[in-house]
Amino acid sequence: GNSVTQMEGPVTLSEEAFLTINCTYTATGYPSLFWYVQYPGEGLQLLLKATKADDKGSNKGFEATYRKETTSFHLEKGSVQVSDSAVYFCALHTGGFKTIFGAGTRLFVKA
Amino acid sequence: DAGITQSPRHKVTETGTPVTLRCHQTENHRYMYWYRQDPGHGLRLIHYSYGVKDTDKGEVSDGYSVSRSKTEDFLLTLESATSSQTSVYFCAISESGGVAKNIQYFGAGTRLSVL
Repeated sequence: GNSVTQMEGPVTLSEEAFLTINCTYTATGYPSLFWYVQYPGEGLQLLLKATKADDKGSNKGFEATYRKETTSFHLEKGSVQVSDSAVYFCALHTGGFKTIFGAGTRLFVKA
Repeated sequence: DAGITQSPRHKVTETGTPVTLRCHQTENHRYMYWYRQDPGHGLRLIHYSYGVKDTDKGEVSDGYSVSRSKTEDFLLTLESATSSQTSVYFCAISESGGVAKNIQYFGAGTRLSVL
């Protein structure tokens, strides 16, 4: 079946460090891929998305490229800030009603 | 921000009592979802709705029921609460209409403790 696997956290970085959070997926067909972010005490919100192979989603300095050959959608940011501290969820959608979410990766950024 | 309101935001209840959580949307989106979020499990789908009076089970539906009598309201009921249902519950909505549009918008969550 369809599934999403993302790296376990927590990830702890110093401010201005480079961030990578790995995400790989298993899916039939051609899924759309998403990264959602959850700030403390809030619900999830969409961070970025990509709908086909080789697409790059980007938002707020975050980027992720849809790699069909490696079934991956890794999240990157060149210079993290304290305000980026949150939980990040990778997700996929293959059609129909449901989105499959990964387990989430908690990021702590120290000043 | 998407107009999604969950109520209550916090609730403490006793084992064996019924509990109803409410999700209200002002976006007129067709699809609504209830998830629970637990450490180590991420988000797990409880039930979803694809229209008024049209609902279906998700992966962790045992012990839960839902109802949707109006487009804007989606109720989640724990028929007889157990301690294993202590969790944070999120409602989400989506417009759908094709793969590219299925972005989900989430409410702020309800923290439920069953003692």
